[in-house]
Amino acid sequence: DTGVSQNPRHKITKRGQNVTFRCDPISEHNRLYWYRQTLGQGPEFLTYFQNEAQLEKSRLLSDRFSAERPKGSFSTLEIQRTEQGDSAMYLCASSSTQGFGNTIYFGEGSWLTVV
Amino acid sequence: AQKVTQAQTEISVVEKEDVTLDCVYETRDTTYYLFWYKQPPSGELVFLIRRNSFDEQNEISGRYSWNFQKSTSSFNFTITASQVVDSAVYFCALSDYSGGGADGLTFGKGTHLIIQP
Repeated sequence: DTGVSQNPRHKITKRGQNVTFRCDPISEHNRLYWYRQTLGQGPEFLTYFQNEAQLEKSRLLSDRFSAERPKGSFSTLEIQRTEQGDSAMYLCASSSTQGFGNTIYFGEGSWLTVV
Repeated sequence: AQKVTQAQTEISVVEKEDVTLDCVYETRDTTYYLFWYKQPPSGELVFLIRRNSFDEQNEISGRYSWNFQKSTSSFNFTITASQVVDSAVYFCALSDYSGGGADGLTFGKGTHLIIQP
């Protein structure tokens, strides 16, 4: 039984560079979420997909952020022209709309440090 | 707007003591879900429990128990006979009735639980 998988787990990048994170959800899950978590805070919702459609984006998701889920399976989150304020852990999660209500399962997160 | 408040930033207890983590929520929805997640140092958020707003029965799972009181908008979590492995940050979260669709989960800031041997 494989859970939500994220890579890379850690990324250190220079300010201004682009970074991309990948998420592989639990295989039968049709919903996929991205969250951001900074030190001492709870995760904050960024965006979510149902299958390949991006249905909701938080106002936290600036124009430098883009997420895709091209075939309704894995997803990528790209941050362009990184800033120091982007340093955080980026969490991916997935869930299924099968059944009544759905529980969201999280991956181990991808830590980003912008120097 | 939804809001979750975990007033306890950090709790430290000695192993085998009982400990309760508080969670108070605000929502205008009449139907919703409440969750608890555990986040060990590795970073993964581990799902512990989901409770829907219709069900106010308390739940027990081993050393863990949850007390949901709609009248006070609280969903508290108790660990009985705590163990060092329980040390982690615990998050309470709230979602709409789809379980996290349009706005995902709204998390509290978390309670850092330290169990000393």
